Order: sequence, then C-alpha cells, then structure tokens
Amino acid sequence: GQQLNQSPQSMFIQEGEDVSMNCTSSSIFNTWLWYKQDPGEGPVLLIALYKAGELTSNGRLTAQFGITRKDSFLNISASIPSDVGIYFCAGRSSGSARQLTFGSGTQLTVLP
Amino acid sequence: ETGVTQTPRHLVMGMTNKKSLKCEQHLGHNAMYWYKQSAKKPLELMFVYSLEERVENNSVPSRFSPECPNSSHLFLHLHTLQPEDSALYLCASSQDEGSYGYTFGSGTRLTVV
Repeated sequence: GQQLNQSPQSMFIQEGEDVSMNCTSSSIFNTWLWYKQDPGEGPVLLIALYKAGELTSNGRLTAQFGITRKDSFLNISASIPSDVGIYFCAGRSSGSARQLTFGSGTQLTVLP
Repeated sequence: ETGVTQTPRHLVMGMTNKKSLKCEQHLGHNAMYWYKQSAKKPLELMFVYSLEERVENNSVPSRFSPECPNSSHLFLHLHTLQPEDSALYLCASSQDEGSYGYTFGSGTRLTVV
C-alpha cells in the first residue's frame, strides 16, 4: 500500500520560533491533510489541501500541497506552548484506495 | 453529547479476558473506522464500516471482532489478546467513506498483561 515518510520524527524548539515539517509519498496524492494530536486525545484536522500548488493557512499554520503531488509541508509561525503535540500528515492517493494513509507523526516540544 | 465518544478511556486486561471497546458518534455520519496507534508508528487502519456494512478488514487477527449495530455505534470486541496488542485504539467517523473530514474520538488506551 501507499506509504508516507514524515520528518522530522521529533522537534524541540524555543517558544516564538518557526517550525517546519514535511511529508513525502512514493505515489501521487490527490489530497493532503494535516492533523494535530494533543496528549490523551484523538487527532484533530488542522488543514486540508486539494490541489497541487495550493497554499492554505489556518491562523499561524500554513500548509502547502507540493507541485509534484508527492509531498506536503506544514509551517507553524511564532510557536507557543499549546502547539505541543504530535502532527500527522495524511493523504489519499489517486489510485483506488478510499481511506486515508497516515504518516508516523512529528512530536513537537516547545520550550519556554 | 457531540462528536465521537469512546469508552472506556483506559483498559487493562489479561490475555485470557474478553472485553469490548465502544464508540458512539452523534454527527449523523455514515462511515466509521477503527484505528490502532502504537508508539512511533503510523495510524493503522483496522476496520471500516459504511452504512453499517463492513467494507474493509485490513488483515486484522480474529482476536479483534468489530460490530456495528447501527450507524451511530461501533464496537471492538477483544478476546485472547497478546501483549503486543497494547496500544491506543482510535475510533473515527466521516460523512461518507470517501469523505476526507475524519472526526476522531479520544481513544481507548489498552494494556494487555
């Protein structure tokens, strides 16, 4: 099946810094999604991308659907303590799979 | 209650026990999912139900048995589990099977001893 490579696996940053993480796939995707999972909770959808080249923002979060349709990036600007959590990319390929494929997550720690 | 509710939040069970996980959604969604989340691994899709019919079973061992009695409820029946089955089990729902907007529950943290 499809696989997503998400990096980095973990990040430690200072409060106020910007953060960038990305996902790549071996096949073309027609949808990219970014989720955040707080400790002890389920993932919550942050941003959905539907077209190659699309750049979408949600507050301090910005995500892009790569032109090759095989990657996506998530940027967080001016990080704050509540940004702590695990960020997952997810997507659906242009093949026959109907369900989402998830990345392995990026654990973000924000230091005061 | 709104969203997706999972009970119990935590469960410790012996390898010879039988237990069930429950998921309930009040969103009017037609598709429901069971995922397994282990540390540092991608979410693993276990089962998919669409309009109460199982449409996908991703080679899950028979010691996991799902049940969807109606479109609002989903169960995962567990029996004779192994320690490696310890994980966070997440339920999700979406409007339809092809919808992208999955809503997740908070999960059940399962420990098999």
